[in-house]
Amino acid sequence: AQSVSQHNHHVILSEAASLELGCNYSYGGTVNLFWYVQYPGQHLQLLLKYFSGDPLVKGIKGFEAEFIKSKFSFNLRKPSVQWSDTAEYFCAVNAQQTGANNLFFGTGTRLTVIP
Amino acid sequence: ETGVTQTPRHLVMGMTNKKSLKCEQHLGHNAMYWYKQSAKKPLELMFVYNFKEQTENNSVPSRFSPECPNSSHLFLHLHTLQPEDSALYLCASSQEGTDGNKAFFGQGTRLTVV
Repeated sequence: AQSVSQHNHHVILSEAASLELGCNYSYGGTVNLFWYVQYPGQHLQLLLKYFSGDPLVKGIKGFEAEFIKSKFSFNLRKPSVQWSDTAEYFCAVNAQQTGANNLFFGTGTRLTVIP
Repeated sequence: ETGVTQTPRHLVMGMTNKKSLKCEQHLGHNAMYWYKQSAKKPLELMFVYNFKEQTENNSVPSRFSPECPNSSHLFLHLHTLQPEDSALYLCASSQEGTDGNKAFFGQGTRLTVV
């Protein structure tokens, strides 16, 4: 069965620190990969997505993620976090072979940025 | 198992049918959401309910009708849908007012309109 793992449940950083959130999935075929963010009091928003091409994907607000197929990973990074990045971050995977009508979420990572 | 259960998991319906999707959570959350996931698109927020009151309707066509009879249940009533409505419909819940209001997702209902 397909699954998505986010091993960091809660990450606390000081402003200007670098961020890397892990995401691993279990599916042997071709995948579409997403990172979503949920700010306090708001609904999910798309940060970035990978469908094909360059495995290093740039998203909004200075975020990027790298797809490493051999490691089944899609880690999210930001060189220097800000207090406004405090939010819940979700990794999601959709298996291309079975079409768009499946989407598996990780359990989320809460990021707290201390001013 | 996230604590959010959606039924059915798969649904095929004709354009003249009426069906309902059900979402149930026993996490004690006070906010529930419907999202739509279409091919090659990010999630689209459809409806938000806080304390059983609808607080957001994201320009959703009237052929989708939500219902929240209590804080544990959320329905999405479907009628006269179009083939382009075929998608994965995801329900989520969260506890509004606490730090982070993390969302917990159901496994989704895969809807095919024929």
